[in-house]
This record gives sequence, C-alpha cells and structure tokens, in this order.
Amino acid sequence: GENVGLHLPTLSVQEGDNSIINCAYSNSASDYFIWYKQESGKGPQFIIDIRSNMDKRQGQRVTVLLNKTVKHLSLQIAATQPGDSAVYFCAGGGSYIPTFGRGTSLIVHP
Amino acid sequence: DAGVIQSPRHEVTEMGQEVTLRCKPISGHDYLFWYRQTMMRGLELLIYFNNNVPIDDSGMPEDRFSAKMPNASFSTLKIQPSEPRDSAVYFCASNLAGETDTQYFGPGTRLTVL
Repeated sequence: GENVGLHLPTLSVQEGDNSIINCAYSNSASDYFIWYKQESGKGPQFIIDIRSNMDKRQGQRVTVLLNKTVKHLSLQIAATQPGDSAVYFCAGGGSYIPTFGRGTSLIVHP
Repeated sequence: DAGVIQSPRHEVTEMGQEVTLRCKPISGHDYLFWYRQTMMRGLELLIYFNNNVPIDDSGMPEDRFSAKMPNASFSTLKIQPSEPRDSAVYFCASNLAGETDTQYFGPGTRLTVL
C-alpha cells in the first residue's frame, strides 16, 4: 500500500509568514493526493487536492506542489494566520481509499 | 448539509464493558469508513463499507471489534469487551465513489477506557 510520511512533526512560524509543509510518498502508482487540516477536537477537513497529471494547484492562500520525480508534495500556506494552527495530513491514493501520513503540527505565533 | 454525525462525542467506560459508537454518513454517500486516531499510531483505517457491505476489515485490531452497517444512513462500531488500550478518538468518514477520494469526516468520538 501507500507509504506516506512527513518530514517534520512540528512547524512553528510567525503570523504573516509563509508556511511550507512537506510530505513524501512511496507508491508511484498513486494518482491523487489530498491535504487535510485537523483542528483540535475536530475531524480532518479537506483543504486541497491534486491529481498526478498536475504539478501545481492553487486555492485560497494555499498551494500544493507535486514533484513526481522525487515523490514529494508540499502544502504552502501564504500569510499564515493563527487560525491556521492545526495538524496537517497528506493522503495519497487512487482507489477511494487514501492512506494518511502521520501529520505535521503547525504552530502559528502571533 | 449536516455533515457526518457521530455519537456519542465522548465516552468513558470501565474495562470489560461493551462500547457502541454510532455514525450517520452524509446522505447519498456510498462509502463509509471507520478510523482510530492515537498519538502513537496516528490515523488508522479500521474498516470500510461500500453500499452497506463491509469491503475490508483488515484494520480491525482484534475480534473484540465489530462493525455493522444495517442501512445506508447508519453504522456502528462495537468493542466488546473494551480495554484501556482501546482509548482513542474514533472517526467515521464517508464519500461518494466516482467523484474523488476526498473523505468527509465526522467530529469523532473520544473513548476513554479506565
């Protein structure tokens, strides 16, 4: 199955800075990747997704980059806000059953 | 849209007792997933259903765990007997095949087994 892992368990940033959360995957057959945000006491919530035929996708203040050559994806958050503090998961899949990484805790300091 | 609904939100029980967690998926979704989340192991898929039929229960830790989906709008996860190591947050999620792999999660049930 998919092996999705994260480079850093915790990321601390100052409010207003840009944040970059990284994720590595092992299954080159994965054709779909998702980033989830999990706030304290809540379930994971969809942020943004990307298909393997793309290398970049942008949303509101978030951008996901996919590098299939090195099997790496990243989530970039522009102008990070205190409300962005959460655990961020990447998930990879392609058969409706995504595999989740361990998560990175993003801490935003005011 | 009410989203995925789970109950109870919190459950505290004693070792050896039976625990039943409940989930109502988003109307129209045909996949339902049960996950367990702990600090040590992260988010683990326990079992999932498609059109009310269990497809893969290989993540269910032991025979003490069982899950049912009697209809499209209701599922239960039962632990009998419960043990302290079952303490975790249990999430239910649903999605609609043919769209994306995006899953919609419920708020979770925090289970504490004393």
